[in-house]
Amino acid sequence: GEDVEQSLFLSVREGDSSVINCTYTDSSSTYLYWYKQEPGAGLQLLTYIFSNMDMKQDQRLTVLLNKKDKHLSLRIADTQTGDSAIYFCAEKGYSSASKIIFGSGTRLSIRP
Amino acid sequence: EAEVAQSPRYKITEKSQAVAFWCDPISGHATLYWYRQILGQGPELLVQFQDESVVDDSQLPKDRFSAERLKGVDSTLKIQPAELGDSAMYLCASSLGTLKNTEAFFGQGTRLTVV
Repeated sequence: GEDVEQSLFLSVREGDSSVINCTYTDSSSTYLYWYKQEPGAGLQLLTYIFSNMDMKQDQRLTVLLNKKDKHLSLRIADTQTGDSAIYFCAEKGYSSASKIIFGSGTRLSIRP
Repeated sequence: EAEVAQSPRYKITEKSQAVAFWCDPISGHATLYWYRQILGQGPELLVQFQDESVVDDSQLPKDRFSAERLKGVDSTLKIQPAELGDSAMYLCASSLGTLKNTEAFFGQGTRLTVV
């Protein structure tokens, strides 16, 4: 079945870049998302990429997709303390009826 | 900015009691999702609606959970009877549901504690 995997933790120094990685198994995945969750809150959609794209940049966020390896990454430039959160990778098939499948999340912590 | 509204934010209930959660999606969003998020894990889909129809409820424990979206707008998720293992965050999300607009927007969630 479909599966999305992420490493559990990442610690970076304030001002450095953060790179959060994700792998997925469903080759029919068409939409790939990054969500951010702060403590006790719901999920905030950060960005998404279609499977026919290699890269998408949005201000400090850069998403890279390697479709051959089914690998997705999120790079956060100039990481700030407000970026501390759990980041979820998610994938969805082409059909509007396809469900969104989430990874278990990567907790990003920022060192001063 | 339009938001997905959920209530209550927090709920404490005793095991074997009934509990219900409510969700009002963003206006015009045809697709509505209910997810359960256990602490330390990613969200898992319980049920997905397209308008008033259930599209996927394969992971919904139907012996105790029920969900409805009678008029294709707001939705209710019910648990009866609640068990200790149901303690989790219950998240509602909605999307336009078209092929070009699949982004799902989440509410703040209802944190359920069963004691």
